[in-house]
Amino acid sequence: GAGVSQSPSNKVTEKGKDVELRCDPISGHTALYWYRQSLGQGLEFLIYFQGNSAPDKSGLPSDRFSAERTGGSVSTLTIQRTQQEDSAVYLCASSLTPTFYGYTFGSGTRLTIV
Amino acid sequence: SQQGEEDPQALSIQEGENATMNCSYKTSINNLQWYRQNSGRGLVHLILIRSNEREKHSGRLRVTLDTSKKSSSLLITASRAADTASYFCATDGAGNQFYFGTGTSLTVIP
Repeated sequence: GAGVSQSPSNKVTEKGKDVELRCDPISGHTALYWYRQSLGQGLEFLIYFQGNSAPDKSGLPSDRFSAERTGGSVSTLTIQRTQQEDSAVYLCASSLTPTFYGYTFGSGTRLTIV
Repeated sequence: SQQGEEDPQALSIQEGENATMNCSYKTSINNLQWYRQNSGRGLVHLILIRSNEREKHSGRLRVTLDTSKKSSSLLITASRAADTASYFCATDGAGNQFYFGTGTSLTVIP
């Protein structure tokens, strides 16, 4: 596609439920990143996928968080047993070569845990 | 932390004026990027400057980099109301990860 697509754009869910967030990167972009941004804060790195290499999961805040990237394309971020502190905007970005071209971000998923 | 820190946190100017925001970082970098964010959603890549470059221009944007001071500045000339947004610098780190600061919130008053 023309850009990075994220779905849903907004998600309200009850505490304790599981949620899945989807990211469809730009075709051909081998690098894919998940960040989250709490209200008025900077971006917090979560996880990074590069091609077929093992993902860098060093930013995942707890074992309730997991992510997959199937076929080197679409990625799903799953949060199990959601907590109120998980409320944030979850941003996905993709890149061909970040050190040359930077990231292209999606519009994000605004997750609200009630 | 490798995270860049933007300064000031908030800036309010009149339309037509220039806006300058700064970014400081702590570790050596290969490149630094500036992004804009409208309404708390996706970020838009503005400009990338490499460690061997001192200045770069793109339209009304001018970015400088001083690696000896570990700092960068973003200048927006002849600001417009549409420039109202948050601006973030991002510095590279391990494994192609970029570290973002908390941003400068710019308000351009028509």
